[in-house]
Amino acid sequence: EAGVAQSPRYKIIEKRQSVAFWCNPISGHATLYWYQQILGQGPKLLIQFQNNGVVDDSQLPKDRFSAERLKGVDSTLKIQPAKLEDSAVYLCASSPGSPNQPQHFGDGTRLSIL
Amino acid sequence: AQTVTQSQPEMSVQEAETVTLSCTYDTSESDYYLFWYKQPPSRQMILVIRQEAYKQQNATENRFSVNFQKAAKSFSLKISDSQLGDAAMYFCAYRSTNTGNQFYFGTGTSLTVIP
Repeated sequence: EAGVAQSPRYKIIEKRQSVAFWCNPISGHATLYWYQQILGQGPKLLIQFQNNGVVDDSQLPKDRFSAERLKGVDSTLKIQPAKLEDSAVYLCASSPGSPNQPQHFGDGTRLSIL
Repeated sequence: AQTVTQSQPEMSVQEAETVTLSCTYDTSESDYYLFWYKQPPSRQMILVIRQEAYKQQNATENRFSVNFQKAAKSFSLKISDSQLGDAAMYFCAYRSTNTGNQFYFGTGTSLTVIP
């Protein structure tokens, strides 16, 4: 089966600019996750979707980050305006609905803020 | 919220030897799932092994096995006959069975395999 697709692979922007990331989950996976992974740390959940509804966005900095999952399939994560501390790898993952199933991760987008 | 702790930021092992990576977690739930993920330098996270909390038998996947101690809330990963390709960051993860089925990750252990 095709894996989780993410684009772009790398992005370099200046602070205060905006950026958007795209994720296409594995077909049929109801749950989609966005994580932020700062160098040397574990993934931190930003937002979790179940189909097109938000399950958990408690750690999403809502003043600058937004995410949507239209039609319960693809998802986009946006940062506007970006800050230096947003430099990280942004990982998208998907899983089937049942809790015994693991997440499948994409390759991630490495974001560098200048 | 549940917390997952990996107390070993870095570990090293000689090729062909055995290494154990530690993980502890804090939860009040009785039913949950535990996972070990591997993240090579190429960055994509890959599932290594999973354990259901209701199962007493430790999970095994080829050279990878776990020591699951539910009462102690401990979930260590043992890698036998270590290979150069095992070098990576290893993350322990906890998945709740409550509404949302959230995942919680540890901070990772960087494993170096010495030829």
